[in-house]
Amino acid sequence: AQSVTQPDIHITVSEGASLELRCNYSYGATPYLFWYVQSPGQGLQLLLKYFSGDTLVQGIKGFEAEFKRSQSSFNLRKPSVHWSDAAEYFCAVGDVLTGGGNKLTFGTGTQLKVEL
Amino acid sequence: EPEVTQTPSHQVTQMGQEVILRCVPISNHLYFYWYRQILGQKVEFLVSFYNNEISEKSEIFDDQFSVERPDGSNFTLKIRSTKLEDSAMYFCASRAGGPRETQYFGPGTRLLVL
Repeated sequence: AQSVTQPDIHITVSEGASLELRCNYSYGATPYLFWYVQSPGQGLQLLLKYFSGDTLVQGIKGFEAEFKRSQSSFNLRKPSVHWSDAAEYFCAVGDVLTGGGNKLTFGTGTQLKVEL
Repeated sequence: EPEVTQTPSHQVTQMGQEVILRCVPISNHLYFYWYRQILGQKVEFLVSFYNNEISEKSEIFDDQFSVERPDGSNFTLKIRSTKLEDSAMYFCASRAGGPRETQYFGPGTRLLVL
């Protein structure tokens, strides 16, 4: 069964500092990978996704992520964090093997706090 | 920009009561989902729906749960007899087409079962 691990429950960074959020996945084939962000009281907004090709993907709000097959990782990065980036970030893997639903399996999330 | 909407935003109910959570997916989307997030836990898949039938469901989605697309716009989740452990945020999502398409999530319905 597919699974996603986000080892950092909470991360605090200073505004302007760089950010890396870790994500490791387990899946039986080339995965479809996603990063979503959830602000308080809001739904889940897609930041970026990876299906194939270039392993470095660019997303919205200045975020990028790199797929590393050898490490089963899909870490999210941002070179300079803004106070408005404070939110919860979820990594997810899409199920494409079973067909039909293509459900997403989420990690437990990383809560990002930004210090001014 | 089109978005998924959900009503109500909050619902409080007594244990054993039936609840219906409503979602309006993005209009040209074909695939519909319900997920839930118990407070402090991860977002979990409940069910996917395509072509007027369930395409996949999780072990959470037992006989107490049902989904329906009663018309061309709404997608509902019914819990027949709520339990305390059904208290969670319920998210609806929709997707336009193939698996590379993005699942767009609604803002969620916070359900509290007393």
